[in-house]
Amino acid sequence: QVQLQESGPGLVKPSETLSLTCSVSGGSISNSKWSWIRQSPGKGLEWIGYIYYIGDTNYNPSLESRVTISIDRSKNQFSLKLRSVTAADTAVYYCARHPYSNDWSYYFDYWGRGTLVTVSS
Amino acid sequence: DIPMTQSPSTLSASVGDTVTITCRASQSISSWLAWYQQKPGKAPKLLIYDASTLQSGVPSRFSGSGSGTEFTLTISSLQPDDFATYYCQHYNSYPWTFGQGTKVEIK
Repeated sequence: QVQLQESGPGLVKPSETLSLTCSVSGGSISNSKWSWIRQSPGKGLEWIGYIYYIGDTNYNPSLESRVTISIDRSKNQFSLKLRSVTAADTAVYYCARHPYSNDWSYYFDYWGRGTLVTVSS
Repeated sequence: DIPMTQSPSTLSASVGDTVTITCRASQSISSWLAWYQQKPGKAPKLLIYDASTLQSGVPSRFSGSGSGTEFTLTISSLQPDDFATYYCQHYNSYPWTFGQGTKVEIK
C-alpha cells in the first residue's frame, strides 16, 4: 500500500519561498509519476505540477514561472518550491500519485493527507 | 485551460435516495475524467476514472457515465458515509483542472 506524507513549514512570509517535501513509502518513487495539488477556499482544487524520476516535469502555466518540483530517489521523496509567495498561495497542499497501467494515467489514485501552508507576515 | 463546471453546487438528499451530479467541460475531453469524494479535513479519494471505471474498493452504488463534454456521477441508495463533497477532474490536456465541487448534504 503506497503512502504519501507531506512535510514542511506551516507559515511562510510574503515574498519568500514555500518549500514542501512528500515522502513516499510502500513503493519506489521511480515507478510512478507524482504531482502536487493545492486547495484553497477561493480557488478550489488546483493542480500545480508533476514529476517523473527521469526529470520529466510539467507545470500549470498559471504557476510555472514560480514553481520547481524535484525528486530525490535516494530518499524516496519529491519536493515543491514555490517562489515569491503571496496571501493567495495560502492553501492545503497535497502530494499525489499517478498510476500506470499499460500507459500513464493522469488522475490521482493515492494522496497524502495534506498540509496547510499560510502565507502571512 | 478547460474549465469544468459541476451542478448542482449543493444537493440535499436522504439515505436511500439516488443522486446524480453533473460535470461539464468547456470542450471535448473524450473520456478522460475522474471523480473524487472528499470529507472535511481529508484528502480527496478516487472513486471513478476514465469516466466510468470504478476504482478498486469503491462500492458499486457509485457509477459514472458520459463522454465528450457532459458527464454524470450517480450514487444509488445513498448511505450515511456518502455525505461529502464530490469533484470531477479532467486529464485530457494540460493543465488538468477540477470542478468546483458538489456538496451532498443530509436533507
